[in-house]
Amino acid sequence: QVQLKESGPGLVQPSETLSLTCTVSGFSLTSYSVSWVRQPSGKGPEWMGRMWYDGDTAYNSALKSRLSISRDTSKNQVFLKMNSLQTDDTGTYYCTRDFSGMGVAPYYFDYWGQGVMVTVSS
Amino acid sequence: DIVLTQSPALAVSLEQRATISCKTSQNVDNYGISYMHWYQQKPGQQPKLLIYEGSNLASGIPARFSGSGSGTDFTLTIDPVEADDIATYYCQQSKDYPYTFGAGTKLELK
Repeated sequence: QVQLKESGPGLVQPSETLSLTCTVSGFSLTSYSVSWVRQPSGKGPEWMGRMWYDGDTAYNSALKSRLSISRDTSKNQVFLKMNSLQTDDTGTYYCTRDFSGMGVAPYYFDYWGQGVMVTVSS
Repeated sequence: DIVLTQSPALAVSLEQRATISCKTSQNVDNYGISYMHWYQQKPGQQPKLLIYEGSNLASGIPARFSGSGSGTDFTLTIDPVEADDIATYYCQQSKDYPYTFGAGTKLELK
């Protein structure tokens, strides 16, 4: 069955770099795209960016200067790196499978990982 | 960015109908398809897809959930509301980058 699992440090120092890994199973990264979505406590989710099935990437313009998404298809993993972290980057970070019934837009998030809580604090 | 506006909370009685609205700052339809999707999130859990493309029920979702609307006005209806439906509901658009979510509507028991 389709599964996604995020992993990474729970605590990051301000100004440091966050590195997260999303390990997927039950589908191929060369057939489906994967997004990163974060959610501050008590607030709505925020789409951060996407790794397309063909290796291309798309980023939220608000984060683009700090964010990098990459993958290792042999390990079924998608990576997120975001630098210059501040306290308002604190929240739960999810990876999602992106799906479109027609193979092209519109895309939506049909499977989500359980999320990893990241706290930015000294 | 496309802004999605939801009411913060809605109080409803069990077995009654709940209607949750989402208004967008721009049209999120394209060639007759709505790029609007709905998710349910319970405390401590990840969001769960309920409705995609405005009105299509996701796999395994009970038929008491339905979605409607077009353009800039969309509605999620739960009829009848069951105890298990107490959660926060988010709308999300995928018409334009960046994909954006509403702030959520918390469904509460009256």
